[in-house]
Amino acid sequence: DAGVTQSPTHLIKTRGQHVTLRCSPISGHKSVSWYQQVLGQGPQFIFQYYEKEERGRGNFPDRFSARQFPNYSSELNVNALLLGDSALYLCASSSDAGLGYQPQHFGDGTRLSIL
Amino acid sequence: QQQVKQSPQSLIVQKGGISIINCAYENTAFDYFPWYQQFPGKGPALLIAIRPDVSEKKEGRFTISFNKSAKQFSLHIMDSQPGDSATYFCAASSTGNQFYFGTGTSLTVIP
Repeated sequence: DAGVTQSPTHLIKTRGQHVTLRCSPISGHKSVSWYQQVLGQGPQFIFQYYEKEERGRGNFPDRFSARQFPNYSSELNVNALLLGDSALYLCASSSDAGLGYQPQHFGDGTRLSIL
Repeated sequence: QQQVKQSPQSLIVQKGGISIINCAYENTAFDYFPWYQQFPGKGPALLIAIRPDVSEKKEGRFTISFNKSAKQFSLHIMDSQPGDSATYFCAASSTGNQFYFGTGTSLTVIP
């Protein structure tokens, strides 16, 4: 079975631009979470979606938004990009949200560089 | 504020030795503690996880020790191998939704 897939793998943007990152969860998984991982740091929670509804939001500005589609895939959108948004953006999927603490399976991320 | 504090930042161990990574937390609502392994260019992969109702969990060469009263938990890698060289993250969650990660430990196992 395919794991969590993210696209694109790498992306270069300039300050002020907008970016959309995409994630396809493992088949059968209904929960998708987004994390930002700055070089040398642990992942920081951005959003969680379950059954197309937002279940959690981390301490990120409103420039960050996300949504989940009927097929459980998800998009992360970031507006008005700043240099500090340069990071690895990780998507993780699990079969349930907060139910029995299902393990989170991570994709390999999208490396976003802001010039 | 870092919800989960991890140490050491880096660790060098001889092949066959024991690698020990420690984490501490303050939020007593945390009740799920996973450890992840991350190789360069890859996403984190779940290694092993523990709930606070047990003090130790072992899976193969990996063991989590949990001290609820001290609010600390640690990962022990027995018989460390060069293939174990990676970055390790501890994490904690109280809802199973939002996970708080430590800052990571870069492990190098010398042949």
